[in-house]
Amino acid sequence: GAVVSQHPSRVICKSGTSVKIECRSLDFQATTMFWYRQFPKKSLMLMATSNEGSKATYEQGVEKDKFLINHASLTLSTLTVTSAHPEDSSFYICSARVWTGGIYGYTFGSGTRLTVV
Amino acid sequence: AQKITQTQPGMFVQEKEAVTLDCTYDTSDQSYGLFWYKQPSSGEMIFLIYQGSYDEQNATEGRYSLNFQKARKSANLVISASQLGDSAMYFCAMRENNAGNMLTFGGGTRLMVKP
Repeated sequence: GAVVSQHPSRVICKSGTSVKIECRSLDFQATTMFWYRQFPKKSLMLMATSNEGSKATYEQGVEKDKFLINHASLTLSTLTVTSAHPEDSSFYICSARVWTGGIYGYTFGSGTRLTVV
Repeated sequence: AQKITQTQPGMFVQEKEAVTLDCTYDTSDQSYGLFWYKQPSSGEMIFLIYQGSYDEQNATEGRYSLNFQKARKSANLVISASQLGDSAMYFCAMRENNAGNMLTFGGGTRLMVKP
């Protein structure tokens, strides 16, 4: 149980276009979704926290107008990279907090590898 | 200051041997949780083991154990009987219960298991 489905797994887009990444919780309700970005051979950096029905909270240095996050339902959170540029190329991964195995743990999507050309 | 520090960017271990991956953390919270994740080249994050700040016993999950030394603020991961499939990036992460419940990750350790 507690699966987060993330799509697409890989996307190549042209500079200046927008890309939407979806994360769906398949068998639970995700009140909160965390969005991370990971550069090659680097760690995961938290970009923003989205809560269902309210505005996302962005980490310092993350452009909220470039990385639009929507969490319109308890099972769907989306990240839209607007007017993408090559420097936005990265691995994006979402995560939801879940009660599992007697603890509050985290389940992750499988990630999206974005390449902007 | 870094909240989670993993001082070993890369480690080699011989197959069937045990290996310890280091993790130190920094928090003023009394209630927090420590997690270890494995990330193979495919990118997925695989949960390995969890230690709560109030847990008195070290966590164990199969071949994984966590050497929790609270006073030293360290939470090292021990992998016993290494297998070739253990080759991956390993991340230590912390959740501070008074800080929004997000996970903060260390820089990671790349483990390479030699046959």
